Amino acid sequence: GEDVEQSLFLSVREGDSSVINCTYTDSSSTYLYWYKQEPGAGLQLLTYIFSNMDMKQDQRLTVLLNKKDKHLSLRIADTQTGDSAIYFCAESGGGSSASKIIFGSGTRLSIRP
Amino acid sequence: NAGVTQTPKFQVLKTGQSMTLQCAQDMNHEYMSWYRQDPGMGLRLIHYSVGAGITDQGEVPNGYNVSRSTTEDFPLRLLSAAPSQTSVYFCASSYDPAGPTDTQYFGPGTRLTVL
Repeated sequence: GEDVEQSLFLSVREGDSSVINCTYTDSSSTYLYWYKQEPGAGLQLLTYIFSNMDMKQDQRLTVLLNKKDKHLSLRIADTQTGDSAIYFCAESGGGSSASKIIFGSGTRLSIRP
Repeated sequence: NAGVTQTPKFQVLKTGQSMTLQCAQDMNHEYMSWYRQDPGMGLRLIHYSVGAGITDQGEVPNGYNVSRSTTEDFPLRLLSAAPSQTSVYFCASSYDPAGPTDTQYFGPGTRLTVL
């Protein structure tokens, strides 16, 4: 079945860039997502990318997709304390499969002063 | 709009008890889903619905039932609670069947403990 994997922890210094990596197995994935979850809260969709794109940039966020290697990354520039959260990588198919989203286990990002 | 609402926020059950987790949305979304979140395992899809009267199983459907009699509501039923169902449950909804993208909304979650 489909699987999404990501490392559990990442620690970066405030002001540095954070790069969170993710790999997935489903070659038919159409959408790839990054969600953010702050303590005690639900998930917030940060950004997404279509599988026919290589890169998407949105302010401090850059998503890179290597479809051949099934590798997705999220880069957060100038990381701030407010970026401390768990970041989930996720994928889904297209059409009616778009609502069946498969999530990774989440990467906990902590910020060092 | 209230968005996606879930009740209760917290619940403690004894093994074998039944209960229903409520989820409602007021955005006229067709797509609704239930996930459970366990430490180190991310979110796993339990059941989902693509419209009123239509439901389907996700990754981990055993022990859970759903129904979708209206567009607004998507309750999740535990018929006989087990300790393995201790988790945080999230309901989500989206509008666009061709891709949830930035129209995916999550509820605040229900923290369930089964003793």
